[in-house]
Amino acid sequence: QVQLQESGPGLVKASQTLSLTCSVSGGSITSYNHYWSWIRQPAGKGLEWIGRVYSSGSTDYNPSLKSRVSISVDSSNNQFSLKLKSVTAADTAMYFCARDTPMIGDAFDIWGQGTMVTVSS
Amino acid sequence: SYELTQPPSLSVSPGQTASVTCSGDKLGKKYVSWCQQRPGQPPVLVIYHDKKRPSGIPERFSGSNSGNTATLTISGTQAMDEADYYCQAWDNNTAVFGTGTKVTVL
Repeated sequence: QVQLQESGPGLVKASQTLSLTCSVSGGSITSYNHYWSWIRQPAGKGLEWIGRVYSSGSTDYNPSLKSRVSISVDSSNNQFSLKLKSVTAADTAMYFCARDTPMIGDAFDIWGQGTMVTVSS
Repeated sequence: SYELTQPPSLSVSPGQTASVTCSGDKLGKKYVSWCQQRPGQPPVLVIYHDKKRPSGIPERFSGSNSGNTATLTISGTQAMDEADYYCQAWDNNTAVFGTGTKVTVL
């Protein structure tokens, strides 16, 4: 059973870079035909997709965040990472990592528990 | 950018049917999935490919998608189904989530 776990600082200063890692357990990040995504949710609000990475390193990003986002994969450690630069209070949110599977219409079938990130001034 | 619109809230009595709609331009030509999010929990996939249920999801959850509207139906709603529900589709390699619907079981 594949499981995902987010990790990283819970507090980031405004204008700095938010960095999070998602560890994949129960399976190899490269052994299946899956994409690996980051999704965020401000408190009391809806879900916003940030972007995704394939095991080859190819990426897709949300156009609204593309200029500030970088997602990469670390196959040797079975992890993928998110970097969001020049953060503001608007980036304060719960950040989830998730797996999307093309065979099921790219639905997000496995989610991490999420990690809360607060941007402080 | 592509948008998916859902009603903010919906109330249903236990044992009755809840129908959550999701509207978007030519949505019927895309695959729609639905996820359920209980308070303080990560989302859980309940429907993919418009109408298919992942393993472990009760049969009372069903879906449809045609024209500009996709619908999640919960038949025989139970108290445990009280949650936020989000539709999701892809447009130009970008994942789009619906605005979310809070389902209350009264």
